[in-house]
Amino acid sequence: EVQLVQSGAEVKKPGESLKISCKGSGYSFTSYWIGWVRQMPGKGLEWMGIIYPGDSDTRYSPSFQGQVTISADKSISTAYLQWSSLKASDTAMYYCARMERYGLDYWGQGTLVTVSS
Amino acid sequence: QSALTQPASVSGSPGQSITISCTGTSSDVGGYNYVSWYQQHPGKAPKLMIYEVSNRPSGVSNRFSGSKSGNTASLTISGLQAEDEADYYCSSYTSSSSNYVFGTGTKVTVL
Repeated sequence: EVQLVQSGAEVKKPGESLKISCKGSGYSFTSYWIGWVRQMPGKGLEWMGIIYPGDSDTRYSPSFQGQVTISADKSISTAYLQWSSLKASDTAMYYCARMERYGLDYWGQGTLVTVSS
Repeated sequence: QSALTQPASVSGSPGQSITISCTGTSSDVGGYNYVSWYQQHPGKAPKLMIYEVSNRPSGVSNRFSGSKSGNTASLTISGLQAEDEADYYCSSYTSSSSNYVFGTGTKVTVL
């Protein structure tokens, strides 16, 4: 069974760093792109970027370039999304999802990140 | 890159058919057959309903169908049911950033 399991909810202060994770199982982790998606409270889905764990080829959406870092450790089938300095506007639910034939077919359960002083 | 344009809301009665549009440009929807559609119920992760414009993943009801004409893709839900009430998002590959972009989202209400 294909599964993507994300790390738990986080509460952080502005300026702090954070790295959240997405662990894949039940399939060849290195053979599928993984996408990260942001959903701010009460808002729509936003595509942040994608990574191919096989060779770490990473592509960022323009709005997120330079704001976050997407990485993967294929030895433990885990993708990451990290911030070096969080802002209150980073408060959102973050989803990882596997890409198959240009669609995101399996999704993680989401990680809620709350940034508040 | 800008989000693809969807109507904010669409409604229909049980048993009716509704269509949600998703308008982009020749750099995304119009240029590639890489349009997908997602259903999201409140508090839940999105679910893939259509990929590559018109293909349904295994397990998705055949009441859901997708199509494309020019720069506009469409999702049609036939035989509308109460469980179809949710938010729907389109997505497309975009050559402007060699990445993907979502639509603005459509809230479907079953009257």
